[in-house]
Amino acid sequence: NAGVTQTPKFQVLKTGQSMTLQCAQDMNHEYMSWYRQDPGMGLRLIHYSVGAGITDQGEVPNGYNVSRSTTEDFPLRLLSAAPSQTSVYFCASSYSWSGVSKLFFGSGTQLSVL
Amino acid sequence: GIQVEQSPPDLILQEGANSTLRCNFSDSVNNLQWFHQNPWGQLINLFYIPSGTKQNGRLSATTVATERYSLLYISSSQTTDSGVYFCAVRGQGGSEKLVFGKGTKLTVNP
Repeated sequence: NAGVTQTPKFQVLKTGQSMTLQCAQDMNHEYMSWYRQDPGMGLRLIHYSVGAGITDQGEVPNGYNVSRSTTEDFPLRLLSAAPSQTSVYFCASSYSWSGVSKLFFGSGTQLSVL
Repeated sequence: GIQVEQSPPDLILQEGANSTLRCNFSDSVNNLQWFHQNPWGQLINLFYIPSGTKQNGRLSATTVATERYSLLYISSSQTTDSGVYFCAVRGQGGSEKLVFGKGTKLTVNP
């Protein structure tokens, strides 16, 4: 049981490049989400999904796209990377979106945009 | 949206000391969780505790939902307790969003 798996662990991009951060969970979790962590800012929600085919915006969605074609996968796309997107990105999932459920995190992706 | 404030922002202890971390929130919640981020960046779920009290070894947590705060107690602290502790809440207003506080950075010295 791998839990929440994120790839890659590290990535360096040039301004304007695009990339996809991968996230997969093998716990049959309904809810999946992406957070970014910046120094002194805690974790801020980018996008989330309450089930396959359903996504919604979090606090800081600009510059990011998501899709949820399967229960297991929730990729995060950066269409045109900017230095402001330099951050550590975490994917998280929980069994239920309706409240009574712990959130489990992946190990994170450290992204630098030059 | 719901606001979450954690205090203190930084805490330095000697090994063996006890500590209390606080999480205040601005509205009624139906979900409150405590997380520990270790020095290597890994986030571990400590407690799911929208109300009441729970204990897990040297750690315990209490949430007083009516007064909109939660406390995390660490007893007999160890150097491995170092890291950042986050509180996260979801308001009862129907949002699916779990909002995080900015965390308390704990340093336990040997």
